[in-house]
Amino acid sequence: TQLLEQSPQFLSIQEGENLTVYCNSSSVFSSLQWYRQEPGEGPVLLVTVVTGGEVKKLKRLTFQFGDARKDSSLHITAAQPGDTGLYLCAGALMDSNYQLIWGAGTKLIIKP
Amino acid sequence: GAVVSQHPSWVICKSGTSVKIECRSLDFQATTMFWYRQFPKQSLMLMATSNEGSKATYEQGVEKDKFLINHASLTLSTLTVTSAHPEDSSFYICSARTSGSRYEQFFGPGTRLTVL
Repeated sequence: TQLLEQSPQFLSIQEGENLTVYCNSSSVFSSLQWYRQEPGEGPVLLVTVVTGGEVKKLKRLTFQFGDARKDSSLHITAAQPGDTGLYLCAGALMDSNYQLIWGAGTKLIIKP
Repeated sequence: GAVVSQHPSWVICKSGTSVKIECRSLDFQATTMFWYRQFPKQSLMLMATSNEGSKATYEQGVEKDKFLINHASLTLSTLTVTSAHPEDSSFYICSARTSGSRYEQFFGPGTRLTVL
């Protein structure tokens, strides 16, 4: 069974603070995606990381893929209330349909 | 680009009736579409994977006779919940993968199903 453990599952912090969300697995992924989901909407793709050790930045969000392609992190600097949402990581397995293995999600609340 | 639509966005039906949900890729051809179910405050649960022109592959525990999936074209997949019961009430989301991308899935806005 392939598992992608995401932590923390819930995080409530003040505006301006920094935070990191982690996704870890014993499986090797061909790529890993990070999504953000608002209530009542579908997930929106934020970034895809493919290469081991890769780091991608999206404004105040920094995404890193582990060297062994088994783990990833999302770091948010100076969080804003607009960052509030459900963040999901998903790893793509190397099968014919590149099915995604999903983390449990991190519910992030940024208080003004 | 890579826009996926779902219709309807929400539906309320009586127990025992069937409900069809459509998933369309608007500006690309989707060789593979995925159907997910999501419970409140939880992650996505994959129900089935469908490739255009082929029978869908269902995940363990998902009844294929209850959740009928048709992927008749490269831009349309449908999920029919047959003989719906209150426990089928959920948020159903489809996603589509382009032939040009091996990894990324683009999601529809979801359909909220409530079975009375």
